[in-house]
Amino acid sequence: AQRVTQPEKLLSVFKGAPVELKCNYSYSGSPELFWYVQYSRQRLQLLLRHISRESIKGFTADLNKGETSFHLKKPFAQEEDSAMYYCALSGIGNTPLVFGKGTRLSVIA
Amino acid sequence: NAGVTQTPKFRILKIGQSMTLQCTQDMNHNYMYWYRQDPGMGLKLIYYSVGAGITDKGEVPNGYNVSRSTTEDFPLRLELAAPSQTSVYFCASSGLAGGRSSYNEQFFGPGTRLTVL
Repeated sequence: AQRVTQPEKLLSVFKGAPVELKCNYSYSGSPELFWYVQYSRQRLQLLLRHISRESIKGFTADLNKGETSFHLKKPFAQEEDSAMYYCALSGIGNTPLVFGKGTRLSVIA
Repeated sequence: NAGVTQTPKFRILKIGQSMTLQCTQDMNHNYMYWYRQDPGMGLKLIYYSVGAGITDKGEVPNGYNVSRSTTEDFPLRLELAAPSQTSVYFCASSGLAGGRSSYNEQFFGPGTRLTVL
């Protein structure tokens, strides 16, 4: 069964501090992993996907198949990063996304 | 492009009432989805559609129905509203990505906040 686990409901960090939002997954194949973000009063939107290997708004995420993880990282948090972050997985054959429960990031000035 | 639009934004229902949540997308996407978002529970897939005339159940379909008569529209129907259906409902769509149809990058609507009393 496909499952995405985000162990932290809430993560609070100070501005300028490093951020790591954890995501672990369960899937018996080669999944596609994504991070979606929901800013206050805005709709959910794609932040980044592992196949792109890109940095968006200073965030990066590396797929670690050995640890089945896809943690989201940023070296220096900004106040505008405060939002709800969802990790999501898509399996082989274009199956619908499975979302984690989300982590609310709060960056304190 | 307006993207994905949803109506209404808010609604209060009494137990047993019925209603339809509307969802429209103007991106010519094949795939459309309905999710519900409950506090601390993330997004759960209710129903999805891979094209006009084709729908399938997601993780939590009980109490809901959908139809997909056109590419643009994917309404969600609640027949007998129950307090357990109090939630925020999101519609999303996805389409061609990298030259192949894909579930991957989903575009979300603004959501409908539904309360059943």
